[in-house]
Amino acid sequence: DAGVTQSPTHLIKTRGQHVTLRCSPISGHKSVSWYQQVLGQGPQFIFQYYEKEERGRGNFPDRFSARQFPNYSSELNVNALLLGDSALYLCASSLALQTYNEQFFGPGTRLTVL
Amino acid sequence: GQQLNQSPQSMFIQEGEDVSMNCTSSSIFNTWLWYKQDPGEGPVLLIALYKAGELTSNGRLTAQFGITRKDSFLNISASIPSDVGIYFCAGSLIGSGNTGKLIFGQGTTLQVKP
Repeated sequence: DAGVTQSPTHLIKTRGQHVTLRCSPISGHKSVSWYQQVLGQGPQFIFQYYEKEERGRGNFPDRFSARQFPNYSSELNVNALLLGDSALYLCASSLALQTYNEQFFGPGTRLTVL
Repeated sequence: GQQLNQSPQSMFIQEGEDVSMNCTSSSIFNTWLWYKQDPGEGPVLLIALYKAGELTSNGRLTAQFGITRKDSFLNISASIPSDVGIYFCAGSLIGSGNTGKLIFGQGTTLQVKP
């Protein structure tokens, strides 16, 4: 079975631009979470979606938004990019909502903002 | 905000040696997870712990959920070169509600000398 997939793998943008990152969860998993990992640090929680509804949000500005589709795939959108948004963006999927079901991570999208 | 203090920050050991790392917090967690991340990849789940006092093994890896629910440790026995990478602890806070928010430690970088 395929694991969590993310696209694109790498992305270079300039300040002020908008970016859309995509994630497909493991087959059968209904929950998708997004994390931001700045170089040298652990991942930071951005959003969790379950059954197409936002179920959790981390301490990120409104420039960050996400949605989940009927097939449980998800998009993360970031508007008005800042240099500090440069990071590895990770998507994780789990069977159900709570973390009693383990979260499995994709390879990430490396975003560079110039 | 909530934090996980992970130590040591880095380790450089000889192949065959045992390794121990731990995470502590001032808050109570109801789930502890240990992940390994290789450069350019997403974190890979190693061990999941769900009950205070629980001791779980996965091959040469052993992890425990602290009795106080505020800490966890990971041991690696007889290290081999492929153990090289960054190890993260992650937890779900008591009272985090119906969300899958994971809080991550800062990571322990392990290097193994053949």
